Amino acid sequence: AQSVTQLDSQVPVFEEAPVELRCNYSSSVSVYLFWYVQYPNQGLQLLLKYLSGSTLVKGINGFEAEFNKSQTSFHLRKPSVHISDTAEYFCAVGVQGAQKLVFGQGTRLTINP
Amino acid sequence: GAGVSQSPRYKVTKRGQDVALRCDPISGHVSLYWYRQALGQGPEFLTYFNYEAQQDKSGLPNDRFSAERPEGSISTLTIQRTEQRDSAMYRCASSFGLANPPYEQYFGPGTRLTVT
Repeated sequence: AQSVTQLDSQVPVFEEAPVELRCNYSSSVSVYLFWYVQYPNQGLQLLLKYLSGSTLVKGINGFEAEFNKSQTSFHLRKPSVHISDTAEYFCAVGVQGAQKLVFGQGTRLTINP
Repeated sequence: GAGVSQSPRYKVTKRGQDVALRCDPISGHVSLYWYRQALGQGPEFLTYFNYEAQQDKSGLPNDRFSAERPEGSISTLTIQRTEQRDSAMYRCASSFGLANPPYEQYFGPGTRLTVT
């Protein structure tokens, strides 16, 4: 079975500072990896995904993530955050042959002015 | 175009009552998923459909939970004899096709269920 661990439940940062949200997964088979963002009172929106190929994936709103197979990680980064990035971020894993996603517990990103 | 819609957005019910939660996927999307999200947790898979066929219901917690998608479009998640532990956000998602690797899942706003 697959599992996802988001190491930080909350991450406070100052506006225009860089941020990294950590995600580690476990799986015995090849995986697909996703980051979703949930703004207050809204549904989840896909930020970016890793399916295959280049391990550095760029997404919307200036976010990027790097797939590291040896460390089973898929950390999300942004070089300079904005107030509007305040949200909850979820890492998720899917596997070949199964359509469901397994989500982590979420990381609440708070941007301070 | 319109996204995934869910109704009702909020539902308060008394313990022991049955509830039906509705999901209207993006038009043309083949696959439809149900997830449950407890407060402070990530979404947890319940079940999914390809067209009208229920492909995987391994995440349904017990036999009080059931789901259907009779015409391959709108889906209903039904919880019978609700219990307080059923209180959560119920999220629906849909995706375009059956490809592997998987297509993006588009999520609805969710139904917040409170069982008193």
